Amino acid sequence: NAGVMQNPRHLVRRRGQEARLRCSPMKGHSHVYWYRQLPEEGLKFMVYLQKENIIDESGMPKERFSAEFPKEGPSILRIQQVVRGDSAAYFCASSPGLAGNYEQYFGPGTRLTVT
Amino acid sequence: DQQVKQNSPSLSVQEGRISILNCDYTNSMFDYFLWYKKYPAEGPTFLISISSIKDKNEDGRFTVFLNKSAKHLSLHIVPSQPGDSAVYFCAASATNNNDMRFGAGTRLTVKP
Repeated sequence: NAGVMQNPRHLVRRRGQEARLRCSPMKGHSHVYWYRQLPEEGLKFMVYLQKENIIDESGMPKERFSAEFPKEGPSILRIQQVVRGDSAAYFCASSPGLAGNYEQYFGPGTRLTVT
Repeated sequence: DQQVKQNSPSLSVQEGRISILNCDYTNSMFDYFLWYKKYPAEGPTFLISISSIKDKNEDGRFTVFLNKSAKHLSLHIVPSQPGDSAVYFCAASATNNNDMRFGAGTRLTVKP
C-alpha cells in the first residue's frame, strides 16, 4: 500500500517560469491538502481539495497559485511566473475524509528552488 | 492569523529525561488535536492525537494532555531518546471541517 507520492522531489525554476507539483494520494483517499514550509518556518495550509472540487483555498496566495484535483490523475499545484520568495518545501497530504478520521498522511515533499 | 501556536522554537533535553512540548490554540471550534514528527527532508508523520472529549491520551512513551479551558495541549516524551530528535508540529481540526491548522513547530534535540 503505497503512501502519498509527490514528484518531483526537487524542482529548480528560473524567475518567471512555471512550476508544477504533483501529488498522488494514498489509495482510497479522496481528500488532498497542500502545505508550504518556508525556511525556518512551520507548515502553512494552502488549499484543501476533494475530487474535482476546491473545498478551502483560504491559504492560497491570490495570484499565480492554483490547484486542482481532477477525477483521474494526481493533484497538481501550479505556480505561474515564480519568484524567489516561492522557494520552499511544498507538502501534500491526503486523508480518507471519513467522519471522525482527521489524520492526514504526508508525502515526502517537493523542494522548489527559484533562481 | 496563527490559530495554533508553538511558542518554543527549540528544546534540548538529556537522554532519559522528560521532554515537554507545548501548544496553544485560539479557535474554540477546534476539537481534535494531533502531534506530528518531522525529520529533515521527509514529510511529517503522525505521532499521537486526542479528542476534546478526553484530557489525556497515552501511547507508549508519548502522552498528550489537553486543557480545554486554557486552550492548551502538551506532548510528553519519557524517557527521551536521541532518535526522538526531530521537529514536532502541533495541529488542530474542527469536527465539521477537514482542514487542519499547524503550529510553527518545535525542534527537539535529545543529547546522549
